[in-house]
Amino acid sequence: DVKVTQSSRYLVKRTGEKVFLECVQDMDHENMFWYRQDPGLGLRLIYFSYDVKMKEKGDIPEGYSVSREKKERFSLILESASTNQTSMYLCASSLPSPGTSSTSYNEQFFGPGTRLTVL
Amino acid sequence: DQQVKQNSPSLSVQEGRISILNCDYTNSMFDYFLWYKKYPAEGPTFLISISSIKDKNEDGRFTVFLNKSAKHLSLHIVPSQPGDSAVYFCAASARNYGQNFVFGPGTRLSVLP
Repeated sequence: DVKVTQSSRYLVKRTGEKVFLECVQDMDHENMFWYRQDPGLGLRLIYFSYDVKMKEKGDIPEGYSVSREKKERFSLILESASTNQTSMYLCASSLPSPGTSSTSYNEQFFGPGTRLTVL
Repeated sequence: DQQVKQNSPSLSVQEGRISILNCDYTNSMFDYFLWYKKYPAEGPTFLISISSIKDKNEDGRFTVFLNKSAKHLSLHIVPSQPGDSAVYFCAASARNYGQNFVFGPGTRLSVLP
């Protein structure tokens, strides 16, 4: 049974603070993802990683950075939190998708989310 | 501009009836589609998927239909149960997206007893 855990369910920070959101998965997945979920906008990809030490920008990377020092752990960093970063943050992991000859992709497994409020 | 759209923010259905959730997409390169279900205070969980080589996929009470020419897919839940009340997200992917998905904004389904 895949388990993705996130360090906090709720977090309240002040503008300008540095914020760390931690995500750990226990299924030896290569791929890990950080999303934010906002009403009417769905899940938007912030950063992703297909391997240790590797990171790629998603659709909305501005104001965020990530770190992946170990395969099971993917951290999201808000260098200087701002009020527009108040959101629900979701971490996910997956196996690599099959090769280009395949017609399927591997599903992503999500953590429970961290609701971050920046005051 | 959203590439995956779910134009109904919410839907209410009577228990035992059919729920139909719709999803439209604009990118003709999308070749794989998934539905996720999300309860409050939980992460999304995978529900069902469909490849573009098919037009229907069924799993128990859940069926997804794909109309490629219309760039439209729908999720049918029959019969609907109160436990199906959740937010449903449509997601899509394409080879040039690597292993990433593009998610729609979600539809909140309420199944009334």
